[in-house]
Amino acid sequence: DTAVSQTPKYLVTQMGNDKSIKCEQNLGHDTMYWYKQDSKKFLKIMFSYNNKELIINETVPNRFSPKSPDKAHLNLHINSLELGDSAVYFCASSHVTSGGSYNEQFFGPGTRLTVL
Amino acid sequence: DAKTTQPTSMDCAEGRAANLPCNHSTISGNEYVYWYRQIHSQGPQYIIHGLKNNETNEMASLIITEDRKSSTLILPHATLRDTAVYYCIVKKTSGSRLTFGEGTQLTVNP
Repeated sequence: DTAVSQTPKYLVTQMGNDKSIKCEQNLGHDTMYWYKQDSKKFLKIMFSYNNKELIINETVPNRFSPKSPDKAHLNLHINSLELGDSAVYFCASSHVTSGGSYNEQFFGPGTRLTVL
Repeated sequence: DAKTTQPTSMDCAEGRAANLPCNHSTISGNEYVYWYRQIHSQGPQYIIHGLKNNETNEMASLIITEDRKSSTLILPHATLRDTAVYYCIVKKTSGSRLTFGEGTQLTVNP
């Protein structure tokens, strides 16, 4: 069983379009994340949700809007796509202990977004 | 979170131990050392973490110096499938954020 899954795996679209990437985890975790890996391979966190509440919101254009319908899902919607949005987007999840410690993160396989 | 410094790249012969160093001289007392790796075209994968004692699991061993300013990840018998970028990350367990640096590209050669 796939622990953290993302759809689609590849996404090719035109500038100006709106697109969504979906993420689901079946690990029972309460915290989920979105990371962006650009062409230079730097991995940077974008957002984090804990129990459907936004807890990390990095300096990301507001064209990017995460949505968490439930603890197992964290989707990323991107409006008005730009060339610079081309990257690989990774979803991840982790468990938070009762003491407030974040356990290791499990990553999905990534979604390669290409904006033409 | 404390900054880490790792070599850009390393090579290792298949079957030999791979020792990946990491400097974290500004680490604070409640920060842990985490190691993740990213095999080409895959998502990052957790390997191991520790505070001050040496740690071992089925994937690797983590050796942290007594002053905690540096650590070494050891893959005891490297295989071709261990070729990946290895990231050393320092963070508190109370922090959810992982801050990835450039990592070390480990190439295991036949």
